[in-house]
Amino acid sequence: NAGVMQNPRHLVRRRGQEARLRCSPMKGHSHVYWYRQLPEEGLKFMVYLQKENIIDESGMPKERFSAEFPKEGPSILRIQQVVRGDSAAYFCASSPFRQGPSNTEAFFGQGTRLTVV
Amino acid sequence: DAKTTQPTSMDCAEGRAANLPCNHSTISGNEYVYWYRQIHSQGPQYIIHGLKNNETNEMASLIITEDRKSSTLILPHATLRDTAVYYCIVFTSGSRLTFGEGTQLTVNP
Repeated sequence: NAGVMQNPRHLVRRRGQEARLRCSPMKGHSHVYWYRQLPEEGLKFMVYLQKENIIDESGMPKERFSAEFPKEGPSILRIQQVVRGDSAAYFCASSPFRQGPSNTEAFFGQGTRLTVV
Repeated sequence: DAKTTQPTSMDCAEGRAANLPCNHSTISGNEYVYWYRQIHSQGPQYIIHGLKNNETNEMASLIITEDRKSSTLILPHATLRDTAVYYCIVFTSGSRLTFGEGTQLTVNP
C-alpha cells in the first residue's frame, strides 16, 4: 500500500503565476488535510476535505487559495497569483475516518516545497 | 480543539529513555491524544495514540494520566535518529488535526 503521494516535490513559480499542488491519499482514505509550513515555523492547518466536500477551511487564506478533492483523482491545492510570502512547504495528510474505540491516525506525505521567485 | 502545552526543547543522551511531557487539561471525553514527530522538515510521522489506557508499540510508549489532563511519550532507548520535533495533539476523527509548537528533542552522543 503506497503512502500519501505529493507532487511535485519541488515547485518554482514566478510572482503572479499559479501553483497547483497535488496529493494522492492512501488507498481507501477519503479524508485529506492540507498544511503549510513557513521556514522555521510550525505546521499550520489550512483545510480539511472529504470526497467532493470541504469540511473545514478555517485555515485557508480568504483570497487566492482554493482546494478540492474530486470524486476521482487527487486532491488539489491551488494558489493563484503567487507572491513571495507563499514560499513554504505544503504537506497533505490522509485518513480513512473511523470513529469508535480505536479512532484512526492520519498519514502524511513528504510535502511540496514551493519557491516563488 | 483542546490546547496542548509542551516544553520548547529537551535533550537526551543516546541510549537513554526520552520522556516527553504534554499537558492537555481541556481535553474532552471523545478526544484522543496523538503524538507525531517531524525530522528535519520531512513529512510528520505518526508515532502513537491513545484514549485512556497506556499504549505501547514498536516505536514508543504513551502514558496518560487517570484524569487525562496530561501524558508522557517515552522513547525507551533514544538514538541520534530520534532527534526531531515532537508534537502532542488532541484529536478525534471528523475534526481537524491541529499542531502546536512541539518539543525539539535533541539526542546527544
